[in-house]
Amino acid sequence: KAGVTQTPRYLIKTRGQQVTLSCSPISGHRSVSWYQQTPGQGLQFLFEYFSETQRNKGNFPGRFSGRQFSNSRSEMNVSTLELGDSALYLCASSYWGREGEKLFFGSGTQLSVL
Amino acid sequence: AQKVTQAQTEISVVEKEDVTLDCVYETRDTTYYLFWYKQPPSGELVFLIRRNSFDEQNEISGRYSWNFQKSTSSFNFTITASQVVDSAVYFCSSSQGGSEKLVFGKGTKLTVNP
Repeated sequence: KAGVTQTPRYLIKTRGQQVTLSCSPISGHRSVSWYQQTPGQGLQFLFEYFSETQRNKGNFPGRFSGRQFSNSRSEMNVSTLELGDSALYLCASSYWGREGEKLFFGSGTQLSVL
Repeated sequence: AQKVTQAQTEISVVEKEDVTLDCVYETRDTTYYLFWYKQPPSGELVFLIRRNSFDEQNEISGRYSWNFQKSTSSFNFTITASQVVDSAVYFCSSSQGGSEKLVFGKGTKLTVNP
C-alpha cells in the first residue's frame, strides 16, 4: 500500500498570500488529521476530519482551515500568511485496526513564508 | 489538558551503547493512549508503538523496549545496542481515548556516533 502522500513537498510564499496543502491518506483510511511542526512550538494539532466532517480542532486562528473530500483526501488552507506560519505541516491518516488506532504520517510540506 | 514532557533535549552515544529516552505524561483521563514516533531527517514521523492506559505490560521489539509505569506517569523507551541508523528525533505523545488529537513532547534528538 502507498503511504500518506503530501503535496507539495516544499513551498515558498510571501506574507499576505494564501496557500493550500494537499494530503492523500492511505487507501481505506477515512480519518485525516493535520499537525504543524515548528522549532519553537514543536508539534501541534491543527484539526481532524472523518467522513468529510471536522471532528476536532486545535487552538489555531481562523486563518487555518481544512476540508475532506468524499475520497478521504484532505486539504488545508492558510489565508493571509504570516512569517510565523513557516513550518513543516504534517498530515496523518488512520484506521481502527486489531491493535487499535494507529496514525501514519506523511513526509510533510515545508512552508516558508518570506 | 494533557501534557507530555521529554526532559532530554539531545542525547549523544557511541554505537552499541544502550540508551533510554524518558517520557513523562500528565492526564486526567482514565482512558488514554501513549505513543512513540521516530522522525528521521526526511521529516516523516514513523510509528513505533502504541500503548493504552489499561495495559502496563512492558514490550520488547527487537532492540527496542518500552517501560510503562502508571505510578510514575512514565513511558520510557530503551534502545539496546544502538546503531547509527537509530539517529533521529524521537517523540513521545499521548491522546485521549477515541481521539486522534495527539499531544506531543518536544522530542529528544538522538545521535549515535560510529
